[in-house]
Amino acid sequence: NAGVTQTPKFRVLKTGQSMTLLCAQDMNHEYMYWYRQDPGMGLRLIHYSVGEGTTAKGEVPDGYNVSRLKKQNFLLGLESAAPSQTSVYFCASSYLNRNQPQHFGDGTRLSIL
Amino acid sequence: AQTVTQSQPEMSVQEAETVTLSCTYDTSENNYYLFWYKQPPSRQMILVIRQEAYKQQNATENRFSVNFQKAAKSFSLKISDSQLGDTAMYFCALSEGGGADGLTFGKGTHLIIQP
Repeated sequence: NAGVTQTPKFRVLKTGQSMTLLCAQDMNHEYMYWYRQDPGMGLRLIHYSVGEGTTAKGEVPDGYNVSRLKKQNFLLGLESAAPSQTSVYFCASSYLNRNQPQHFGDGTRLSIL
Repeated sequence: AQTVTQSQPEMSVQEAETVTLSCTYDTSENNYYLFWYKQPPSRQMILVIRQEAYKQQNATENRFSVNFQKAAKSFSLKISDSQLGDTAMYFCALSEGGGADGLTFGKGTHLIIQP
């Protein structure tokens, strides 16, 4: 059981570069989420999706874009990376029923120099 | 907006002791869900326990139990017979509304179990 898989696990970027983080889930979940985790801050929601072809903004969406062209994949893009986006990024997914907990990937550590 | 507060940045106890982690929250919803997640040094986010707000009975999962006080908006986690493997960051989280718009997390409590 793969669950939620995030690619890549580590990445170092230079300021101004762009990149895409990939999240894939094999549990047929409707909902998918992207969070960032900073020291002492807990996890904060960046964007989320309630189904294929839909996306919505979370608490900290600025500087990020997302797409969900297929139900199993949720992509997070950084258009022009900034040092403030250095963080650990987590993807999560869950069933339609809000009683169901979110399943998390192992995270992507991203450093912007 | 919903908020989750964990007032204990770090706690340390001896192995086999019982420890309680505090969490308070604020929400305007009547029906919501509360969770405790564990994050060991491996960075994985692991669900420990969950509580549905409309249920009076406190949730339990083996050595883990919660004290849910709805009126006080308090949701503490009790770990009995603590083990070295319980050393981790623990996050309290709230899900409200339709549940689709993500979790709101507290800042976490770093729990250290001493041998």
